[in-house]
Amino acid sequence: DSGVTQTPKHLITATGQRVTLRCSPRSGDLSVYWYQQSLDQGLQFLIQYYNGEERAKGNILERFSAQQFPDLHSELNLSSLELGDSALYFCASSSRPGPSGNTIYFGEGSWLTVV
Amino acid sequence: AQSVTQPDIHITVSEGASLELRCNYSYGATPYLFWYVQSPGQGLQLLLKYFSGDTLVQGIKGFEAEFKRSQSSFNLRKPSVHWSDAAEYFCAVGPPIQGAQKLVFGQGTRLTINP
Repeated sequence: DSGVTQTPKHLITATGQRVTLRCSPRSGDLSVYWYQQSLDQGLQFLIQYYNGEERAKGNILERFSAQQFPDLHSELNLSSLELGDSALYFCASSSRPGPSGNTIYFGEGSWLTVV
Repeated sequence: AQSVTQPDIHITVSEGASLELRCNYSYGATPYLFWYVQSPGQGLQLLLKYFSGDTLVQGIKGFEAEFKRSQSSFNLRKPSVHWSDAAEYFCAVGPPIQGAQKLVFGQGTRLTINP
């Protein structure tokens, strides 16, 4: 158990809909990351938040957005869903930057199926 | 741009045999290096990491990896595999800059164990 909690574990929704994926980082971790894993693209970095502020952005679509709340949990919002958005979405966290702070721990992921 | 190459998409070994999974990276400086394992339907579990120091690092589940700067490689090894090692293995690199902790993943190597 990595200590990173993601909900829901599985989600099936229709095209055009909007979903929210939730992540609770490990206790004490200030950084939260979102990754998407799909068969054709592999593991792709989406976005990173550090202590509530967006820190780095990767291959995140404009239809997707995220935020990190004061209690450090994070949400990834996916809207106008398309079939190609079906994937496993990982949340990960790490502690404050530093020599021992660069290890990133992953949750078990949220499986999203768009039908 | 940084990249990670795992040349072997799929490897099959017999139980009890030794294992080596290859990973090559392209980066402007020595990055942080990681190996993660993903069991079927599971999240990503950190096996081991290299930040600096001894180039041979020990991880969990009997795995080790060796960093070779001259070859830009970070190959994963295990002297004797068990059936429970069947999984997908991902090599990842991260930038050695505090606060910017984006991981870039290889495409993964799927390991099958023959009884």
